[in-house]
Amino acid sequence: DAMVIQNPRYQVTQFGKPVTLSCSQTLNHNVMYWYQQKSSQAPKLLFHYYDKDFNNEADTPDNFQSRRPNTSFCFLDIRSPGLGDAAMYLCATSGGGSAFFGQGTRLTVV
Amino acid sequence: QKEVEQNSGPLSVPEGAIASLNCTYSDRGSQSFFWYRQYSGKSPELIMSIYSNGDKEDGRFTAQLNKASQYVSLLIRDSQPSDSATYLCAVNANTGGFKTIFGAGTRLFVKA
Repeated sequence: DAMVIQNPRYQVTQFGKPVTLSCSQTLNHNVMYWYQQKSSQAPKLLFHYYDKDFNNEADTPDNFQSRRPNTSFCFLDIRSPGLGDAAMYLCATSGGGSAFFGQGTRLTVV
Repeated sequence: QKEVEQNSGPLSVPEGAIASLNCTYSDRGSQSFFWYRQYSGKSPELIMSIYSNGDKEDGRFTAQLNKASQYVSLLIRDSQPSDSATYLCAVNANTGGFKTIFGAGTRLFVKA
């Protein structure tokens, strides 16, 4: 089945230790998104790609970076995670309409 | 002003009743509108999409859009306990490459 897959489902990292979250899709969608969602809050858009065009939200901290080496894969790099970065990270794709979400990665910072 | 605003709730309705969820958005250039359901600890899943003014029905769900008032709503008929979740309104402005912005969601409880 076509889908969006995020790995890992759960990630524990140490304060200040770089961490990478990954996302892959079989939908061949042009658009890929990374959202951060904290408890009882809206998914907050960090960045999105339209093909290889990268769009960074103005309030996304520099600590967050992203790579999209090809249509299928997208990565979220957190260079120096802080306690405030603990959250669910959601990857989604879109073909121009609605967004399809992966299962999310729950990040814990210790 | 937040780009997409929803009443956070919780909204509590008895089983079998109609649940009415509302959303307003700030960007008049918005083209596409979505309702997602999110269970606790899970990722959002699409329930309805609507692109033009008026009503769109799909089973027990009806989405309503009024672009002049910048207002979107979702009606859930014959509410079931399994409908208890957070409902997220999302808006796609089709600017900067299909940017999709979410509201904070409304928590719905359906009492058996």
